[in-house]
Amino acid sequence: GESVGLHLPTLSVQEGDNSIINCAYSNSASDYFIWYKQESGKGPQFIIDIRSNMDKRQGQRVTVLLNKTVKHLSLQIAATQPGDSAVYFCAEIPNAGNMLTFGGGTRLMVKP
Amino acid sequence: GAVVSQHPSRVICKSGTSVKIECRSLDFQATTMFWYRQFPKQSLMLMATSNEGSKATYEQGVEKDKFLINHASLTLSTLTVTSAHPEDSSFYICSARDLQGRVNNSPLHFGNGTRLTVT
Repeated sequence: GESVGLHLPTLSVQEGDNSIINCAYSNSASDYFIWYKQESGKGPQFIIDIRSNMDKRQGQRVTVLLNKTVKHLSLQIAATQPGDSAVYFCAEIPNAGNMLTFGGGTRLMVKP
Repeated sequence: GAVVSQHPSRVICKSGTSVKIECRSLDFQATTMFWYRQFPKQSLMLMATSNEGSKATYEQGVEKDKFLINHASLTLSTLTVTSAHPEDSSFYICSARDLQGRVNNSPLHFGNGTRLTVT
């Protein structure tokens, strides 16, 4: 099945706090996952990725956690800033596959 | 800088006319490109996979005769919305597969989308 969602949920955080955005995926054959940030009127922007042989990967201010047992992915943003306000999507690519499937997305709103 | 250029960014057309959207990979060759459609406050839905030199592969429920895809070169794919109707109004986004992962080691790069409004 495909994890596709409607009607984006919203996460509201205070500037400087940490944000955690969650994503559930459905295809156990997926072995590559990507988090994207999408600002209004723009295309998705790559944030960080992780392969299924890892359970954690860190970038600059961002960390992605992968729990294959429960098919769950999370994106942690440290010291959230107003510029982080956007919609965040997780996406998955199945093993040996070519097609990227997007999750439902979460709107992050950062309050100054 | 942008690695995928999508044009136009916005287009308004009258019902019944056709609209062409271009997706170009910059500085890399993309044998595979993807076309997505996004309605307001929703996720991206894959419409079709565009393969250079061969026919596109359409997702279930996407009319191939309405959404014509041409991938005639390794750097250009076009999506033509034929006989557009108001319900075709949406945000169309392309992505190109970069096997060498030139930017962020990412295998996929997205264009900035085209906002289509059919009146």
